[in-house]
Amino acid sequence: DIQMTQSPSSLSASVGDRVTITCRASQSISNYLNWYQQKPGRAPNRLIYAASTLQSGVPSRFSGSGSGTDFTLTISSLQAEDFATYYCQQSYRMPRTFGQGTKLEIK
Amino acid sequence: EVQLVESGGGLVQPGGSLRLSCAVSGFTFRSYDMNWVRQAPGKGLEWVSYISSGGGTTYYGDSVKGRFTISRDNAKNALFLQMNSLRAEDTATYYCARVAYGDYAESLDYWGQGTLVTVSS
Repeated sequence: DIQMTQSPSSLSASVGDRVTITCRASQSISNYLNWYQQKPGRAPNRLIYAASTLQSGVPSRFSGSGSGTDFTLTISSLQAEDFATYYCQQSYRMPRTFGQGTKLEIK
Repeated sequence: EVQLVESGGGLVQPGGSLRLSCAVSGFTFRSYDMNWVRQAPGKGLEWVSYISSGGGTTYYGDSVKGRFTISRDNAKNALFLQMNSLRAEDTATYYCARVAYGDYAESLDYWGQGTLVTVSS
């Protein structure tokens, strides 16, 4: 199985900060990498797919990059509504696997 | 409007069985592959299972293989997860999710609200 490792596991930041979350795959997955945002008590929402394509309606302050084994999710200027948990997921091979999540908290 | 609504969760004893359902509306269900994803209380997301649009191809995560069965009824716009030999570690909220293919890559574009399964004596 392909292992997905996110870092950091948690992050404290302030409104207006630039934040980067990384996701590393245990083998090359090309660009078959997705990012989801989940708020407490809610289902996950797709943010980015195919490593860098922004879901329609998602603010442009979110961006994704990477290919192969190393990927990043960047929030250029944090807003209050961005405090949530973020997960990466590979869709290169079955079984699909998620990273362990990165909890973004208010400093 | 795309909607996915799970049901069938509840309290079940270890070794027991449960069948989850996901009723969908707002899109042509028979044209889409589907997934189940679960989340244990306070933990991260775990991919559970996949089924192709016609139901002929299925995949499972290692932790549920041989115990869970995914199926669908395209005439009734419904997705199912039959869970047998349940264990305490199967306790989780179970989400159904629609598969989308964008830029040639697969992702999950719509999710239900989840149904909680608790395995305990």
